[in-house]
Amino acid sequence: AQSVTQLGSHVSVSEGALVLLRCNYSSSVPPYLFWYVQYPNQGLQLLLKYTTGATLVKGINGFEAEFKKSETSFHLTKPSAHMSDAAEYFCAVSEVTGGGNKLTFGTGTQLKVEL
Amino acid sequence: DGGITQSPKYLFRKEGQNVTLSCEQNLNHDAMYWYRQDPGQGLRLIYYSQIVNDFQKGDIAEGYSVSREKKESFPLTVTSAQKNPTAFYLCASSNLAGDLYNEQFFGPGTRLTVL
Repeated sequence: AQSVTQLGSHVSVSEGALVLLRCNYSSSVPPYLFWYVQYPNQGLQLLLKYTTGATLVKGINGFEAEFKKSETSFHLTKPSAHMSDAAEYFCAVSEVTGGGNKLTFGTGTQLKVEL
Repeated sequence: DGGITQSPKYLFRKEGQNVTLSCEQNLNHDAMYWYRQDPGQGLRLIYYSQIVNDFQKGDIAEGYSVSREKKESFPLTVTSAQKNPTAFYLCASSNLAGDLYNEQFFGPGTRLTVL
């Protein structure tokens, strides 16, 4: 079974500072990787996804992530944090099952942005 | 507007009662999913369905039941057998189309509280 580890359940940055949220995965096959964002009491919204091809993936709201196979990582970054980035972020890996496309999620990282 | 609707947004239940959470999508997606979210645990898959009249257990199916009588609807029943049902429940859908990496679209969630 595939799994995802998100290091740091809470991350705090100053407004304008670099955002780095870490994600490591385990997979026996080439993975398909996703980052989702969740604002309080809402559903999840896709930020970006890696399937094949270019390892640097750009997403919405200025976020990007780099797939590094040798490190089994898919860390999420944003050069300059904004107050509106405060939310919970989830990394996920896609797994083939007999029933279709199944996502396995990490436990999430709560991002706090301070003035 | 296309999307996923979940109702109600907040639900209160007495111990020993069954309760059904609604999930409807008008995206014409093949697959639908139910997740449970608890603080610090990420999202855990309860049930998923790839086609009408077929569904599979996820990682934490005990105490839950589902049906898929229509493509656009995937209701979840939380039964009295579920030991700790208080949680945030999220419904999602995806268009399989043979692709492993189709993203899942999420509804706004239902917060269930057992009194």
